[in-house]
Amino acid sequence: EAGVTQFPSHSVIEKGQTVTLRCDPISGHDNLYWYRRVMGKEIKFLLHFVKESKQDESGMPNNRFLAERTGGTYSTLKVQPAELEDSGVYFCASSYRAEADGYTFGSGTRLTVV
Amino acid sequence: GDSVTQMEGPVTLSEEAFLTINCTYTATGYPSLFWYVQYPGEGLQLLLKATKADDKGSNKGFEATYRKETTSFHLEKGSVQVSDSAVYFCALGTGGSYIPTFGRGTSLIVHP
Repeated sequence: EAGVTQFPSHSVIEKGQTVTLRCDPISGHDNLYWYRRVMGKEIKFLLHFVKESKQDESGMPNNRFLAERTGGTYSTLKVQPAELEDSGVYFCASSYRAEADGYTFGSGTRLTVV
Repeated sequence: GDSVTQMEGPVTLSEEAFLTINCTYTATGYPSLFWYVQYPGEGLQLLLKATKADDKGSNKGFEATYRKETTSFHLEKGSVQVSDSAVYFCALGTGGSYIPTFGRGTSLIVHP
């Protein structure tokens, strides 16, 4: 079974530019989550999709962040325009039955805004 | 709200030493508890879990027991190896959507 795939693995952009991160969940996993970890801090929840619908986006920091999940398959997270404080590692995770099986995480995208 | 507190790192040990990484939590309801591990250059992997009080999760020589009375889920291993060097995250999941709440992570460095 293929795991959760994220790309790019690294991205360095200048402040004010736009970046789009992509996540391909495990096939059949209706639940898809985005998280972010700023250096040395907690992994913070950003949002949760169930299929193509946003179930919970309470963790999205502001309207510079836009997440989509086309047809309930892969998801994108766009940051526009990027700010310095957006730097961190963005993780995607998917699950089928989270409470029983936990979550499968991707290896993350390390975003550096300079 | 729900929260997870982990001991500060890095934890530095010699090979074959005993490991404890403390984790305590606050949560409404009855959470499931997880330990995730992130090896260098890789994503988070579920290491072990426990879904109710007094359950013990175990995997790869690591163990953690769900202690409701002390709201703790400490991670232990009797003899660590260099290959255990990684960042370990304690997490809990509650509610219908079971969105996990993570701790800050504890870096473990094991020297030969």
